[in-house]
Amino acid sequence: EAQVTQNPRYLITVTGKKLTVTCSQNMNHEYMSWYRQDPGLGLRQIYYSMNVEVTDKGDVPEGYKVSRKEKRNFPLILESPSPNQTSLYFCASSLGQGFKKLFFGSGTQLSVL
Amino acid sequence: ILNVEQSPQSLHVQEGDSTNFTCSFPSSNFYALHWYRWETAKSPEALFVMTLNGDEKKKGRISATLNTKEGYSYLYIKGSQPEDSATYLCAFCYSGNTGKLIFGQGTTLQVKP
Repeated sequence: EAQVTQNPRYLITVTGKKLTVTCSQNMNHEYMSWYRQDPGLGLRQIYYSMNVEVTDKGDVPEGYKVSRKEKRNFPLILESPSPNQTSLYFCASSLGQGFKKLFFGSGTQLSVL
Repeated sequence: ILNVEQSPQSLHVQEGDSTNFTCSFPSSNFYALHWYRWETAKSPEALFVMTLNGDEKKKGRISATLNTKEGYSYLYIKGSQPEDSATYLCAFCYSGNTGKLIFGQGTTLQVKP
């Protein structure tokens, strides 16, 4: 089944404890992206990747890192999480940039205490 | 700063009513406009991606139009059903950076039986 797999679904952590949210797609998509969803703010792009080893900042990249060593995986790393990073996170992928529809993962609800 | 606005923010209709909502985006440097449906506790799912001025897309009872010259898109739902209850998101992609997708805050539709 074609899908974007995100893990974990829920995560509660404490300030400063490094964490990684994994994202994997099995559709051979070139483009992958991370978003966060906060009440009243809509989906905001954190980072995106056009292809392997090519990543770029979205609108809210501060406090996050990404890597794209393989085409299928695009992990989101929070080196030192803070409470303002408490949010619902989505990974998405598509065949190409801009004009191709996004396929979203199931989301990760992160709480940083 | 590129801004995408959706109106109304929320909408309550009776089953069988037809409804429409608006997505406004910058009229210059247009590349693509996306529509997604996001049901509670699920992930956003693509409805349409439109790239040409005057584009009209249809999927069952849902259709969308695009006016890139004036910077707006309409989403129409004919004969709303309770299962249409969801948040509808639009996202704008501009030619200056086709890796970036800018989402509106969404229109939340509630259809009462």
